[in-house]
Amino acid sequence: GQSLEQPSEVTAVEGAIVQINCTYQTSGFYGLSWYQQHDGGAPTFLSYNALDGLEETGRFSSFLSRSDSYGYLLLQELQMKDSASYFCAVEAAGNKLTFGGGTRVLVKP
Amino acid sequence: DGGITQSPKYLFRKEGQNVTLSCEQNLNHDAMYWYRQDPGQGLRLIYYSQIVNDFQKGDIAEGYSVSREKKESFPLTVTSAQKNPTAFYLCASSLQGSLIYEQYFGPGTRLTVT
Repeated sequence: GQSLEQPSEVTAVEGAIVQINCTYQTSGFYGLSWYQQHDGGAPTFLSYNALDGLEETGRFSSFLSRSDSYGYLLLQELQMKDSASYFCAVEAAGNKLTFGGGTRVLVKP
Repeated sequence: DGGITQSPKYLFRKEGQNVTLSCEQNLNHDAMYWYRQDPGQGLRLIYYSQIVNDFQKGDIAEGYSVSREKKESFPLTVTSAQKNPTAFYLCASSLQGSLIYEQYFGPGTRLTVT
């Protein structure tokens, strides 16, 4: 089976940088996705890494190291609207995603 | 406007009753998924379907059933055999093949069973 670990909560101030780490154990790894979910809302796709390295999409970047079974999501220039839960998800054999428990990010003024 | 619809948004049922949650998509996606989310937790896969008339059990399929008679529709039935059915249920879809990592989610149905 698959297992993912990410911190449960992170607090930061507006304008700061936050890094959310995700370590995983899986067989047949294809890639790592990141999703954002505001309270009471639906998850929305943020980014995907299949190869080692950094992928940048605006203020958000995602990194993957396949050899370390590790990835992270970097949130830069934090805004109040970034307060949400962030989930990493592993794509492995079986055409499905397995999600981590989520990291709640609280942005303070 | 393409997307996924789930209805109803809130659903209340008495213990011992079966209940069916609706999920419809007009994105022309091949694959559809059902997840359960408990407060403060991640998403756990219940069932998924990669093609019409075919579906597979996810990690927590016990007490649930699904059907996939049409590409656009993937209803989930929560049966009386599900021991703790109160949860937030999310339906998602994705293109098949190499794009399953990008899933589109519906707004969810919050089910309360008393």
